[in-house]
Amino acid sequence: AQTVTQSQPEMSVQEAETVTLSCTYDTSENNYYLFWYKQPPSRQMILVIRQEAYKQQNATENRFSVNFQKAAKSFSLKISDSQLGDTAMYFCAFMRSYGNKLVFGAGTILRVKS
Amino acid sequence: EAGVVQSPRYKIIEKKQPVAFWCNPISGHNTLYWYLQNLGQGPELLIRYENEEAVDDSQLPKDRFSAERLKGVDSTLKIQPAELGDSAVYLCASSLSSSQETQYFGPGTRLLVL
Repeated sequence: AQTVTQSQPEMSVQEAETVTLSCTYDTSENNYYLFWYKQPPSRQMILVIRQEAYKQQNATENRFSVNFQKAAKSFSLKISDSQLGDTAMYFCAFMRSYGNKLVFGAGTILRVKS
Repeated sequence: EAGVVQSPRYKIIEKKQPVAFWCNPISGHNTLYWYLQNLGQGPELLIRYENEEAVDDSQLPKDRFSAERLKGVDSTLKIQPAELGDSAVYLCASSLSSSQETQYFGPGTRLLVL
């Protein structure tokens, strides 16, 4: 069974600075997808970024980028130029290519301070 | 384009009462998921539908939980009778098909059982 571990229950960062959220996972699969979802206090889960395991290039979406280390089974999220609106719970999630079930980590609460 | 719609947003009931949650996925999305999210944790899959067929209900507590997606569009999740431990957020998500990786989430229904 796949597991996802987020070792940082809470993080804080000053506005405009950079922060990195950690995620590790365990799987015997070779093809899979990894995601970062953001859940603000309103509780709507929003996709931030996704990574296909077969791609070596790290995914980027504007201020959000990942560091995907397949051999180490590590998938960290870097948020640059942090904004107050980035304050939320961030979940790392794993999905097998054809299994389609998302397996989530426990989440990291990120607080951006002004 | 409208996102995933869920209702009600909040529900308070007494234990042993029945409760139902409704979800309307994004138009054209064939795959629908119900997730359970306990406080401070990541969501966990309860059931996945491909059109009207439940293809993964292994995590659904079938003694008290039931779900249906009769016409392959909207879906209802029911609990009867509710227990105190069912207090949680019930999230619905949809994706275009089972081979499409990205799941889009609704705002969730927060259930409180007294």
